Amino acid sequence: AQTVTQSQPEMSVQEAETVTLSCTYDTSESDYYLFWYKQPPSRQMILVIRQEAYKQQNATENRFSVNFQKAAKSFSLKISDSQLGDAAMYFCAYNRNAGNMLTFGGGTRLMVKP
Amino acid sequence: DVKVTQSSRYLVKRTGEKVFLECVQDMDHENMFWYRQDPGLGLRLIYFSYDVKMKEKGDIPEGYSVSREKKERFSLILESASTNQTSMYLCASSNPPGRGTNQPQHFGDGTRLSIL
Repeated sequence: AQTVTQSQPEMSVQEAETVTLSCTYDTSESDYYLFWYKQPPSRQMILVIRQEAYKQQNATENRFSVNFQKAAKSFSLKISDSQLGDAAMYFCAYNRNAGNMLTFGGGTRLMVKP
Repeated sequence: DVKVTQSSRYLVKRTGEKVFLECVQDMDHENMFWYRQDPGLGLRLIYFSYDVKMKEKGDIPEGYSVSREKKERFSLILESASTNQTSMYLCASSNPPGRGTNQPQHFGDGTRLSIL
């Protein structure tokens, strides 16, 4: 069974600084997708960024980028120029390419200090 | 924009009651999901449905059942609520993989359920 581990229950960052959230996963599959979801306080979970395992290039969405290390089964999220609105729970998730189900990590609570 | 609507944000029920959580999506998605969210455990899949009247167990189906009579609606049922089912419940929908690229899931606002 696939597992996803987020080793940092909480992180904090100063506004305008850069922070990296860690995620590792365990799978025997070779073709899969990885996601980072953001859940602001009392608000809807939204997709931040996704990465296809067959792509070597790291995904980037504006201030959000990933460092995907397939051999190490690592998928970290970097947030540049942090903003107060980035404060949220962040969940790393894994999805087999042929599957419908997501496996989530335990989440990292990100606090942004003004 | 995709809209996934859960019928209640907060719900308080008593032990032994039969509880219904409703979810409706407006994007004609084939897949719908029910998750349970607990601190430190992230989201765990209870059930998912890939078509009307079709369902598959997720990781923690015990104590729950689901119903999908119409494509847009997916209900989670707690047959006899217990205190250990107090949690946040999230519904999600998506298209299946294979339609171009893997389709992300779109989530509702969640229902915070308390069982007393």
